[in-house]
Amino acid sequence: EAGVAQSPRYKIIEKRQSVAFWCNPISGHATLYWYQQILGQGPKLLIQFQNNGVVDDSQLPKDRFSAERLKGVDSTLKIQPAKLEDSAVYLCASSPLASGIETQYFGPGTRLLVL
Amino acid sequence: DAKTTQPNSMESNEEEPVHLPCNHSTISGTDYIHWYRQLPSQGPEYVIHGLTSNVNNRMASLAIAEDRKSSTLILHRATLRDAAVYYCILRKDAGGTSYGKLTFGQGTILTVHP
Repeated sequence: EAGVAQSPRYKIIEKRQSVAFWCNPISGHATLYWYQQILGQGPKLLIQFQNNGVVDDSQLPKDRFSAERLKGVDSTLKIQPAKLEDSAVYLCASSPLASGIETQYFGPGTRLLVL
Repeated sequence: DAKTTQPNSMESNEEEPVHLPCNHSTISGTDYIHWYRQLPSQGPEYVIHGLTSNVNNRMASLAIAEDRKSSTLILHRATLRDAAVYYCILRKDAGGTSYGKLTFGQGTILTVHP
């Protein structure tokens, strides 16, 4: 079974530029998550989709971050404009359903450096 | 969300058992106890979860206190590949506003010595 795919793996941009990350979840998984992991900290949930609807985006900085999940499969996360503090690893995860027992499967992440 | 408390770091020798503790004194009846680990430069991976009873799988065992206010992840024979950050997470079942999300803390950095 193929895992969660993410691209690019690394990205370096200058502040005020825009950047987009792509995620392809495990086939058939209804729930998709985007996490931000700053160096030395645990991942923090940015947004959660159930199929193509948003379930939780309470910690997404909506003035600069946006995300979409077209047709309930792939997802993109965009930052525009980027700030220095956005330097982090952006992790995508998926699970069959959103529940207290379903395992979340994580991708390898995209490492973003904002200069 | 109920919080968990873990030691910042622990050390072990290869092929010895490792007991990773987690305190969760404010756990509610609908909270599952999950453990994930994150190897260097990788995304987190699921290790084990439980509700009330002790659990075993091919990776580890989870011992849950009778009052559920603490739990221990047990790696029976640590290997160098087990060196990772281990996260203990309380996760509500579906139906609440948390809707199954994972709230990661700082975790425990496990170092395994050859």
